[in-house]
Amino acid sequence: NAGVTQTPKFQVLKTGQSMTLQCAQDMNHNSMYWYRQDPGMGLRLIYYSASEGTTDKGEVPNGYNVSRLNKREFSLRLESAAPSQTSVYFCASSEGLALYEQYFGPGTRLTVT
Amino acid sequence: DQQVKQNSPSLSVQEGRISILNCDYTNSMFDYFLWYKKYPAEGPTFLISISSIKDKNEDGRFTVFLNKSAKHLSLHIVPSQPGDSAVYFCAASAKRTGNQFYFGTGTSLTVIP
Repeated sequence: NAGVTQTPKFQVLKTGQSMTLQCAQDMNHNSMYWYRQDPGMGLRLIYYSASEGTTDKGEVPNGYNVSRLNKREFSLRLESAAPSQTSVYFCASSEGLALYEQYFGPGTRLTVT
Repeated sequence: DQQVKQNSPSLSVQEGRISILNCDYTNSMFDYFLWYKKYPAEGPTFLISISSIKDKNEDGRFTVFLNKSAKHLSLHIVPSQPGDSAVYFCAASAKRTGNQFYFGTGTSLTVIP
């Protein structure tokens, strides 16, 4: 079991460029999440997907879009990257919402110059 | 506005002694709490949880205490070991009304051999 995998591990973008962060889980979990971690801010939820076919905004959705491609995969897209989106991005999955612990991927370190 | 707060950014403890990590929350609707542990360059991993119907939950060297009237929880690690050196995040959710966890900013624990 690989758990939650994320690609890429590192990425440098110029302002205005776009990219998609990929996430996949092999635990047959229903719910998936995208967080960002910034110094002094903890983990903040960007978007989540309660189940295949649904997505909802979290605390900080502006500038991002998501796709729940199937039960395994949940991608995060930055259409026009900004320096404020420099962060470490974590994908996570869980059996369900709110009551279940989440399993996290190793993270993607993104720098926007 | 930070609904979950960890006011101590760092903590140093001698090996073998007790580590106490604290977490405060403001939302009285929160009724499920978790602690995660994070090593550098890795994603957070689930450590222990507690429901609001309990005031204590124990798992080996780790015990979480919940004081609902004070909106405060703490994680005790006894005895502390060098491998416990990591960043610890608390998280909270409101299972009846919410779909997401809110994370604190983390406390970096260093256990000195």
